[in-house]
Amino acid sequence: QIQLVQSGPELKKPGESVKISCKASGYTFTDYAMHWVKQAPGKGLKWMGWINTYTGKPTYADDFKGRFVFSLEASASTANLQISNLKNEDTATYFCANGTWELLDYWGQGVMVTVSS
Amino acid sequence: DTVLTQSPALAVSPGERVTISCRASESVSTLMHWYQQKPGQQPKLLIYKASNLASGVPARFSGSGSGTDFTFTIDPVEADDIATYYCHQSWNSPYTFGAGTKLELK
Repeated sequence: QIQLVQSGPELKKPGESVKISCKASGYTFTDYAMHWVKQAPGKGLKWMGWINTYTGKPTYADDFKGRFVFSLEASASTANLQISNLKNEDTATYFCANGTWELLDYWGQGVMVTVSS
Repeated sequence: DTVLTQSPALAVSPGERVTISCRASESVSTLMHWYQQKPGQQPKLLIYKASNLASGVPARFSGSGSGTDFTFTIDPVEADDIATYYCHQSWNSPYTFGAGTKLELK
């Protein structure tokens, strides 16, 4: 069965960087896109963008251009999200979700990133 | 950005029929999808492309609509359906989600 297993929670200081991973299993990794979604504490869902796992091309929503990088380790069926120069407002749970370019199908369990001095 | 407007909360009793509406600020064709999220869990896809039931999802869940007006129905509601439901459009970039409708027990 399709599974997306994300890395563990992170506690970081403002200005630091974080890299979270999303390991896929149960399907051919390059057959499906990978999306990233942010959920601040007690808030709704915000789409960050997606990466074409076949070509490696990322697409970012405007609010996530600059400090956010989507990358792949295709040989390990893993997608990564790196956030640099962390700010307090980056405190959130970050989900990966696979699917087509237009549909988020299966979701990872989420990674809580806390940014605090 | 395309704004999706959902009612914030609904109170229901098991066995009832409940309908959640989602209105888009501009047309999203039929690229509207519905997700269920329970506290502390990841969202789960229930309905895709307005009216298609996702794999393994009970037929108690259904969706309809096109353009700017969409509805999501649970009939009948079960106690396990208590959750927050989000509509989500992927026709216009950036993709957007509604603020969520929290289903509560009466």
